Amino acid sequence: DAGITQSPRHKVTETGTPVTLRCHQTENHRYMYWYRQDPGHGLRLIHYSYGVKDTDKGEVSDGYSVSRSKTEDFLLTLESATSSQTSVYFCAISHSPYRSGDNEQYFGPGTRLTVT
Amino acid sequence: AQTVTQSQPEMSVQEAETVTLSCTYDTSENNYYLFWYKQPPSRQMILVIRQEAYKQQNATENRFSVNFQKAAKSFSLKISDSQLGDTAMYFCAFMKGYSGGGADGLTFGKGTHLIIQP
Repeated sequence: DAGITQSPRHKVTETGTPVTLRCHQTENHRYMYWYRQDPGHGLRLIHYSYGVKDTDKGEVSDGYSVSRSKTEDFLLTLESATSSQTSVYFCAISHSPYRSGDNEQYFGPGTRLTVT
Repeated sequence: AQTVTQSQPEMSVQEAETVTLSCTYDTSENNYYLFWYKQPPSRQMILVIRQEAYKQQNATENRFSVNFQKAAKSFSLKISDSQLGDTAMYFCAFMKGYSGGGADGLTFGKGTHLIIQP
């Protein structure tokens, strides 16, 4: 298994509070991704990173920000959590997403976030 | 932008049977990759099989194979000799074959819940 951990694994928070989720990898992969999974929607890309301090938006980036100050860590922040952000959040990593045979994304175990 | 459609929300088959999961996609890209991921009740996302769009030969991985029809934008997954451990959500996913131009990362379908009955 790829060395990817997510913390916390479960969190319950109140509307309006800030929340930060952490993804940590030990594989030294360049690319990191944050997805959210909701019933009836599959997984959707929130933000991704293609190197230290290099990030870009995904399909559902509103209300989220990210930071990557080290290769191994990719943080997802909800500045002011809302009930619509209740979801399961997955981090993924990839070594060479655009190279055939080496483009697998490896996923972390997920974080279940509940905003009340 | 691309879209991925899985038209079967749930399927159920008997153990040892063969089952085919459907996936269609829409894109204007010519360089891309397609994937099938499995998500068992543990919630872990596991890559089952991948296909490069430029390859005409269908990918196979043991009991898993795909039927890739590029012109029809179809990418179905066939599971032979199904086992109880195959019970899971299965997601079809698309990814561009190059960086830039936005929309990087995987685009997923909504999934098919496959149940293998003993």
